[in-house]
Amino acid sequence: DIVLTQSPGTLSLSPGERATLSCRASQSVSNSYLAWYQQKPGQAPRLLIYGASSRATGIPDRFSGSGSGTDFTLTISRLEPEDFAVYYCQQYGDSLWTFGQGTKVEIK
Amino acid sequence: EVQLVESGGGLVKPGGSLRLSCAASGFTFSTYSMNWVRQAPGKGLEWVSSISSSGTYIYYADSVKGRFTISRDNAKNSLYLQINSLRVEDTAVYYCARISWGNYFDYWGQGTLVTVSS
Repeated sequence: DIVLTQSPGTLSLSPGERATLSCRASQSVSNSYLAWYQQKPGQAPRLLIYGASSRATGIPDRFSGSGSGTDFTLTISRLEPEDFAVYYCQQYGDSLWTFGQGTKVEIK
Repeated sequence: EVQLVESGGGLVKPGGSLRLSCAASGFTFSTYSMNWVRQAPGKGLEWVSSISSSGTYIYYADSVKGRFTISRDNAKNSLYLQINSLRVEDTAVYYCARISWGNYFDYWGQGTLVTVSS
């Protein structure tokens, strides 16, 4: 099974700063099958990015995804107060879906 | 508007059973694969099970294989998860989620909490 490892575990930043979140896979992942989600306390996850780099409907353009193979990145260009949350990457392969363990973006 | 509403969670003793339901609306339910994803308290997301649009193809995470059964009723726009032989480690919020063409979860319900405790 493909294991996704996210880093860092926690990112402490100030509003207006740039956030760079990493997701590394134990085996190559098809770009089509890599997604990112945002989750705030007490809420369900929300789809941000699919296909490694396509923004979901209604997602602001400060969110961008990139990468291929085993290394993927979610970038938030300028953090807004509502962006402080936990972010998960997710992949699909061989009829299995797996998530990374999450990166918490907290206010510094 | 797509809506997914889970129900059926609660407090159950180890070894017990529960049946979770997910009522779908706002889209053509019978044309989408559906999934269950869970989240233990304070932990990350864990995919649990998937069922294809017609119910033909079913997949489970190793951690629940043999104890959980996913099913659907397209006439009722409903998804189900029968969970048997519950363990303390099954304690989690269980989310119903729709799968889109790229095998990502594009819509999620609000979740239903299952607590396994003696």
